Amino acid sequence: EAGVAQSPRYKIIEKRQSVAFWCNPISGHATLYWYQQILGQGPKLLIQFQNNGVVDDSQLPKDRFSAERLKGVDSTLKIQPAKLEDSAVYLCASRSPSGRAYEQFFGPGTRLTVL
Amino acid sequence: DAKTTQPPSMDCAEGRAANLPCNHSTISGNEYVYWYRQIHSQGPQYIIHGLKNNETTEMASLIITEDRKSSTLILPHATLRDTAVYYCIVRRGYGGATNKLIFGTGTLLAVQP
Repeated sequence: EAGVAQSPRYKIIEKRQSVAFWCNPISGHATLYWYQQILGQGPKLLIQFQNNGVVDDSQLPKDRFSAERLKGVDSTLKIQPAKLEDSAVYLCASRSPSGRAYEQFFGPGTRLTVL
Repeated sequence: DAKTTQPPSMDCAEGRAANLPCNHSTISGNEYVYWYRQIHSQGPQYIIHGLKNNETTEMASLIITEDRKSSTLILPHATLRDTAVYYCIVRRGYGGATNKLIFGTGTLLAVQP
């Protein structure tokens, strides 16, 4: 079974530029999550999708971050414009509705450096 | 969800048991204890969970105290590949639309050769 795919793996941009990250969850996984992990901290949930609908985006900085999952499969997270404090690893995870509800499968992440 | 406290780092000799403690003194009756780990440059991975009984899998054992205020994750024979950050998370049940995991800073386990 293929895992959660993310791209790019690394991205370096200057502040005020825009950036987008892509995630393809495990096939059949209806629930998709985006997390932000700042160096030395645990992952923090940014947004959760159920199919193509948003379930929880309470921690998403909506003035600069946006995310979509138009067809209920892959998803894109965008930052516009980026700030220095956005430097972090952005993790995507997915969960099967029929599997163990607590078991989220994580991708390898995208490491973003904002200069 | 209840707050957890873990030591920031621990060392363990290869082949020995690694015992990772977690304090969750404010845990509620319907809250489970979950453990995840994150190997360097990878996403977190589920290990084990429990409510009040001790649990064992091929990878690890989870010991929960009788008052449920603390727990210990045991890796019986640690290898170098077990070097990772281990997260203890307490949250309600299985279901609910917002199946949210709230990660703390975890314990960095360094397995020494």
